[in-house]
Parts: sequence; C-alpha cells; structure tokens
Amino acid sequence: SQQGEEDPQALSIQEGENATMNCSYKTSINNLQWYRQNSGRGLVHLILIRSNEREKHSGRLRVTLDTSKKSSSLLITASRAADTASYFCATVSGGYNKLIFGAGTRLAVHP
Amino acid sequence: NAGVMQNPRHLVRRRGQEARLRCSPMKGHSHVYWYRQLPEEGLKFMVYLQKENIIDESGMPKERFSAEFPKEGPSILRIQQVVRGDSAAYFCASSPVDRGGNEQYFGPGTRLTVT
Repeated sequence: SQQGEEDPQALSIQEGENATMNCSYKTSINNLQWYRQNSGRGLVHLILIRSNEREKHSGRLRVTLDTSKKSSSLLITASRAADTASYFCATVSGGYNKLIFGAGTRLAVHP
Repeated sequence: NAGVMQNPRHLVRRRGQEARLRCSPMKGHSHVYWYRQLPEEGLKFMVYLQKENIIDESGMPKERFSAEFPKEGPSILRIQQVVRGDSAAYFCASSPVDRGGNEQYFGPGTRLTVT
C-alpha cells in the first residue's frame, strides 16, 4: 500500500504565484524526499529532509517536516511555467533505501 | 559521468510474450532498485538488488516476474507471459550505498505496452 498521500491531487496556478503541496505518511521514517516528474519522463530528485530536521531550503524550494503529524509540505515560490510537472513525496523507513511513493500532485503553472 | 541508462525506452509485447528490461546503474553504484508506475499513479517499489544478490523483493508479483543484477552487465527485469495489466512504466534507480540518507538516481524508464 502507499505510504504517502499527496494533497492536492492537482493544482493549477499562474506564473509568479506560490505552490504548496502536502504529503502525509503512516509509519516512522528515516527521511522524506521530494521528486519531480515531467510528463513521460523519469524522476528528478529535488530535496531530502531527514527525520530530525524541520525545514530545508533549496533555491525556490522550501520543505517542512512535522514528524508528530507525519506530514511534509513542499513550497515552490515564484513559480514558472517550467515548474509544470508532477511532484511526488517518498519516504525511507527501516534499514534500506527503498522509496515508498505517494500518488503525486500534478502542478500546472500557466504563463 | 553518464546517468542511469535503461533500454529499451519503449517496448511493445503481445500477450504471452516475454519482456526483458535492462538497467545500467551510474558508474560506481552497486545498488539497484526497480519501480513500476501505472498511469496517473505514483511509483511502486518492486525489488532491490546488489551485485549478484536480491536483497528485497517484497514488491515483486509472486509469479512471472524476476530480476537479476549479475557481476558483469546490466540489471535485468524479466516478465514472462505478459498480460495487459503489466502495461506500465518501469523505472530503475541506483545509489552508491545503501543507507537511509541517500538520494536515488532514476533512469528515464521503459514504457511497456502489452497488446
């Protein structure tokens, strides 16, 4: 079964606006990662946040992690049309680096 | 440094045929993971391999599916007697070590269509 669930399933915004995507998971984790997938392509790693971290930044990306609520959010600031893609959270638990993915959020950024 | 390579990128098979999907990890990576993605869904873990060893195959269907990562050459995901429900994108990822704090590098995927 899926570990993570993203919310919303789809998000449509204008260029320049911020986009926030949420992810909830069920079990304790080692880390949580966010990936982007352009239509018909492979996945690109965006950011990794460890279970003892609460917030992390990378360029226009900001990720938060609340282990008490078992949730994470991904904020993309000043969005661009090129940010149009599906975004997935994935968790790592236990001893292996096996990724458990959520169903993803489809983001559309309109010029 | 070339990324993770998968071939073929697209594969069409008739029901009952065999499908062989290949994955060459990044140079220096000895850990390979296979994932399957159905349309409009997230990726689902299938199997984790190291050279000559299957470490975790908890996501593999019990029948018709097998995977290997030989000492030399690419990792192979093999699907025997394919059915329409096997149509999906199959992604391979690699990492240099197996600790819970490393990102995985994904290949472009193989899109399998079963007719």
